[in-house]
Amino acid sequence: AQSVTQLDSQVPVFEEAPVELRCNYSSSVSVYLFWYVQYPNQGLQLLLKYLSGSTLVKGINGFEAEFNKSQTSFHLRKPSVHISDTAEYFCAVLEWGYQKVTFGIGTKLQVIP
Amino acid sequence: DAGVIQSPRHEVTEMGQEVTLRCKPISGHDYLFWYRQTMMRGLELLIYFNNNVPIDDSGMPEDRFSAKMPNASFSTLKIQPSEPRDSAVYFCASSLRQGGLRPGNTIYFGEGSWLTVV
Repeated sequence: AQSVTQLDSQVPVFEEAPVELRCNYSSSVSVYLFWYVQYPNQGLQLLLKYLSGSTLVKGINGFEAEFNKSQTSFHLRKPSVHISDTAEYFCAVLEWGYQKVTFGIGTKLQVIP
Repeated sequence: DAGVIQSPRHEVTEMGQEVTLRCKPISGHDYLFWYRQTMMRGLELLIYFNNNVPIDDSGMPEDRFSAKMPNASFSTLKIQPSEPRDSAVYFCASSLRQGGLRPGNTIYFGEGSWLTVV
């Protein structure tokens, strides 16, 4: 069975500083990986996804993530955060051949002015 | 293009009452998901449907919860009787699966139904 671990529940970072949100997954088969963002009082929306090909994936709002198969990780990065990036970020995994997505517990990113 | 529409957005109800949450998926999507989000447990998949048929309801917490999808454009999640521990945000989401082993397109979420049971 697939599982997702987000190692940090909260990450405070100063505005314009870089940030990395960590995600590790566990699966016995190949997977697809996603990052979703949830702004306060809203639903989740897709930031980026890895399906195949290049392991470096670029998403919206300047975010990117790198798939590392050997370390079973899919960390999310942004070189310079903005106040508007304050939100909760969810890593998710989907096993090949299935439609059931498993989400991590979420990481709250707080950008400090 | 309308997204996933959920109603009500907010509901406060007394313990023991029946609660019905409603969802209209994006037109043309063939998968529909119900998730529950709490501080303690994060985002949990309760049940999902494919072409209106329930595929996996292993996440439904107990018999007090039931979900239906009578047609491609409507689904309900019902809690009867409701309890304070059911207080959470309930999200409906939908997606369109491509053929073969390729994964579905993005899962699109509604804005959630915020349920408080007192």
